Amino acid sequence: QVQLQESGPGRVRPSETLSLTCTVSSASVSNADFYWSWIRQPPGKGLEWIGYIFYRGSTAYNPSLKSRVTMSVDTSKNEFSLKLNSVTAADTAVYYCARYESSGYQNAFDIWGQGTMVTVSS
Amino acid sequence: DIQMTQSPSSLSASVGDRVTITCRASQSISNYLNWYQQKPGKAPKLLIYGSSSLQSGVPSRFSGSGSGADFTLTITSLQPEDFATYHCQQSYSNPRTFGQGTKVEIK
Repeated sequence: QVQLQESGPGRVRPSETLSLTCTVSSASVSNADFYWSWIRQPPGKGLEWIGYIFYRGSTAYNPSLKSRVTMSVDTSKNEFSLKLNSVTAADTAVYYCARYESSGYQNAFDIWGQGTMVTVSS
Repeated sequence: DIQMTQSPSSLSASVGDRVTITCRASQSISNYLNWYQQKPGKAPKLLIYGSSSLQSGVPSRFSGSGSGADFTLTITSLQPEDFATYHCQQSYSNPRTFGQGTKVEIK
């Protein structure tokens, strides 16, 4: 079955750049029916959509984070990535990658990675 | 941004109870409303998409309804494995936004 797996450092220093990668198994990031997404959840709080990327490289970002976010996709490795720069303690959260079904059938985040906790601390 | 407001924020219920959670959007979102279940330490799981369509593999005791700005998730005959937090999410426009979550606890 389709699986997504996040990877990256669990701790990032303030003002530095958070970098995460999501590896996709049993599905292709080149499938035009999906956008590849990042969502985060601060401890004890709700879910926040960070943005998503299409396999051709087009992106949509949450305006609240847009100035600090860059997403990329590597079709040869079947993975996509997130970079969030100038991090502060407010960026401490569990970061999820997720598949967004965009063909018009579901328009939902149908598959999620297990999540990775990132702590911003010196 | 479209604001999503869930009520209640938490509730206590017993096994076998019927549970209803509501989600209100700050503007009309047609039927572009999804529901997710999240258990502690786990990723959210898609339950309902398009306001009322059941995701494959989800038990039929879960149902969704509504259109426009007001939506409902209903669990008939609550089971022990249903104690979790439920999130609504709109797919009408960017940025995609979620409700704050409703925690269903054991009474």
